[in-house]
Amino acid sequence: DAGVTQSPTHLIKTRGQHVTLRCSPISGHKSVSWYQQVLGQGPQFIFQYYEKEERGRGNFPDRFSARQFPNYSSELNVNALLLGDSALYLCASSLAVRTDTQYFGPGTRLTVL
Amino acid sequence: KQEVTQIPAALSVPEGENLVLNCSFTDSAIYNLQWFRQDPGKGLTSLLLIQSSQREQTSGRLNASLDKSSGRSTLYIAASQPGDSATYLCAVLYNFNKFYFGSGTKLNVKP
Repeated sequence: DAGVTQSPTHLIKTRGQHVTLRCSPISGHKSVSWYQQVLGQGPQFIFQYYEKEERGRGNFPDRFSARQFPNYSSELNVNALLLGDSALYLCASSLAVRTDTQYFGPGTRLTVL
Repeated sequence: KQEVTQIPAALSVPEGENLVLNCSFTDSAIYNLQWFRQDPGKGLTSLLLIQSSQREQTSGRLNASLDKSSGRSTLYIAASQPGDSATYLCAVLYNFNKFYFGSGTKLNVKP
């Protein structure tokens, strides 16, 4: 069975641009969460979606948005990119909202110049 | 404010040693706690999940304990191997669907 997949693997953007990151959960998983991991730190929670509805939100500005599609895949959008948005963006899926193990994808490495 | 702290930040041990990694959290109203492993430049691999009603979980050479009242969890690794070298992260899920990670413990097991 395929694990969590993310695309693209790497991305280079310039300040002020917009970016869309994509995530496909493990088959049968209905919950998708997004995290930002800056080098040397632990991941920071951005969003959780379950059954296409937002169920949790971390302390990120409104430039960050996300959505989940009927097939449970998800997109993370970041507008007006800043240098500080450079990070590894991780997606995790789980069967349910709370009770289950989260399974992480390999991440998308975003570099903002 | 919910915070998750991991001590030590880095640890270097010779192969074969038993070791303990620590995770502490400020708010005891957790839903569950999960330990992960992260290899350089890679995503996270789940090791153990402990629900708030549980005291410990075991998988092979790994044992994780949870003490909600003191806000602490430990990950015990028995008979460490060079392949265990990685960064170990703990993550806490609170009842309001927010996940908090510690900064991790970078483990180096020397052959």
